[in-house]
Amino acid sequence: GEDVEQSLFLSVREGDSSVINCTYTDSSSTYLYWYKQEPGAGLQLLTYIFSNMDMKQDQRLTVLLNKKDKHLSLRIADTQTGDSAIYFCAETPGSYIPTFGRGTSLIVHP
Amino acid sequence: EAGVAQSPRYKIIEKRQSVAFWCNPISGHATLYWYQQILGQGPKLLIQFQNNGVVDDSQLPKDRFSAERLKGVDSTLKIQPAKLEDSAVYLCASSLGGNHSPLHFGNGTRLTVT
Repeated sequence: GEDVEQSLFLSVREGDSSVINCTYTDSSSTYLYWYKQEPGAGLQLLTYIFSNMDMKQDQRLTVLLNKKDKHLSLRIADTQTGDSAIYFCAETPGSYIPTFGRGTSLIVHP
Repeated sequence: EAGVAQSPRYKIIEKRQSVAFWCNPISGHATLYWYQQILGQGPKLLIQFQNNGVVDDSQLPKDRFSAERLKGVDSTLKIQPAKLEDSAVYLCASSLGGNHSPLHFGNGTRLTVT
């Protein structure tokens, strides 16, 4: 099974906030990432958080990190239809190579 | 800045045939990765190169998969012979190198094995 766990689907109404959750396994992960994948495209780095932080904000994106519970979340404020995509959480064990979860499909409807 | 280029975009082959994928990373990126993404799953690392040397190929099924990056720039990934379970998107990514160097992904090659 996957080491990084995410729920598979999230459906929100346009203008609402979206919260995508992730549980990772490697407490030594130095960086934790969120990537976005649109249909037919590769993965695009959205944001990341260093393990000594508990929150990072970047425009409409807010990343929260709970190291004790190994829980990472991505909040997208004012979700738009263009935010519809698959969002991948990734941890970085000792090799620093990102290990990805299965992805959460975000569906934004009017 | 040109992105990571991959070709072909799509490939359909029969099982037991051979196939090769090509990747041209972003200029100046020392590190190159090949990932396999099976439908409904996250990308799984197959192999990592640093310049023309292999850093990690522990997840590469070496009985049928091979990869090379002879001049430290372009890379090819080959499957010979293909199996049905090899149907997936093969993603190439590159980075400058270093422990926190973001990965830049190509659009991938979608392989269907029938």
